[in-house]
Amino acid sequence: AQSVTQPDARVTVSEGASLQLRCKYSSSVTPYLFWYVQYPRQGLQLLLKYYSGDPVVQGVNGFEAEFSKSNSSFHLRKASVHWSDSAVYFCAVSNNNNRIFFGDGTQLVVKP
Amino acid sequence: GPKVLQIPSHQIIDMGQMVTLNCDPVSNHLYFYWYKQILGQQMEFLVNFYNGKVMEKSKLFKDQFSVERPDGSYFTLKIQPTALEDSAVYFCASSLGAEDTQYFGPGTRLLVL
Repeated sequence: AQSVTQPDARVTVSEGASLQLRCKYSSSVTPYLFWYVQYPRQGLQLLLKYYSGDPVVQGVNGFEAEFSKSNSSFHLRKASVHWSDSAVYFCAVSNNNNRIFFGDGTQLVVKP
Repeated sequence: GPKVLQIPSHQIIDMGQMVTLNCDPVSNHLYFYWYKQILGQQMEFLVNFYNGKVMEKSKLFKDQFSVERPDGSYFTLKIQPTALEDSAVYFCASSLGAEDTQYFGPGTRLLVL
């Protein structure tokens, strides 16, 4: 069975600061891992996806995430956030890219 | 990027009534999904659908739920009859292939009174 834990319900950072959103996953097989972002009144948008290869995967808008098998983690990072990055971020896991299990989401607030 | 549309955006109905939620998937996509998110909780997988058939469903996909995509039109989720615990946001998604990226719609907010 797969599951995802996002320990931080809300993260507040200042514009221009660096960001890390934490994600821990549980999976019995090599998982597909995802980060999605949801802006108000919009659907989820895929930021990045990992299955194999380089454990650091680059996504859109300067986001990246690092897969760690030893830590069962897939943390999301960005070097310098912009106010428009304010949204809810979901980490997700799947064993086949078909049935996706989502975390609770982390609300990111970027202060000007 | 590719857009998935959902109609209506909001729906309020009385318990026991039937409701149909409509999803307009990305035009060339072949796999379709419904997810359910109760307020304050995780988004959870309900069902996926391919080639006219349900491929996989979760325990949340009760007998009162059904899905279909007649004649390549909307991919629909029907709940008949509705119950109070069906109040949630329902998200539709579609993907080109089974292992391709799922694109999500903005959700339909269903309130059962």
